[in-house]
Amino acid sequence: DSGVTQTPKHLITATGQRVTLRCSPRSGDLSVYWYQQSLDQGLQFLIQYYNGEERAKGNILERFSAQQFPDLHSELNLSSLELGDSALYFCASSVGTQATYNEQFFGPGTRLTVL
Amino acid sequence: AQKVTQAQTEISVVEKEDVTLDCVYETRDTTYYLFWYKQPPSGELVFLIRRNSFDEQNEISGRYSWNFQKSTSSFNFTITASQVVDSAVYFCALSEGKETSGSRLTFGEGTQLTVNP
Repeated sequence: DSGVTQTPKHLITATGQRVTLRCSPRSGDLSVYWYQQSLDQGLQFLIQYYNGEERAKGNILERFSAQQFPDLHSELNLSSLELGDSALYFCASSVGTQATYNEQFFGPGTRLTVL
Repeated sequence: AQKVTQAQTEISVVEKEDVTLDCVYETRDTTYYLFWYKQPPSGELVFLIRRNSFDEQNEISGRYSWNFQKSTSSFNFTITASQVVDSAVYFCALSEGKETSGSRLTFGEGTQLTVNP
């Protein structure tokens, strides 16, 4: 158990819908990362938050957004869903206070299926 | 831009064989970090090891060992006396070292290891 929790574990929805994925980082971790794992794109970084602020963006679609709340949990919002958004979405967290220690621990993932 | 290449898509071995998973990386940074993660059939990503760019010492942990060579930009992973429970997808990843708030991981494509009894 990495200490990172994600809900829900599975999500099945239809095209055009909007969903919210939730992540609680390990206690004490300030950085939260979102990654998408799909068959055709592999594991890709989406976005990072550090202590409530957006810190880095990767290959995140404009239909996707995220935020990190004062209690440090994070949510990833996916809207106008398409079939191609079906994937495993991981949240990871790290201490984030020093560049010399940025080991990331991953949650169990949320498997999104868009029908 | 950073890039990680795992040329071996799938490897199949028989239990007790040794197996090496290759990882080649590209980066312009002088300070960076390399990682290996394991993804068993259950789907979670399990952290195995982190290695700093300025520390080229090889590391051994039980049946696992890692060979880091900056001269060839490689960070290979060897499992000695493989077991069925080692069957998983293994990912090599690279992270920049300059951000004080932590940095994104760039993953390789992964290597599916199957250990047959």
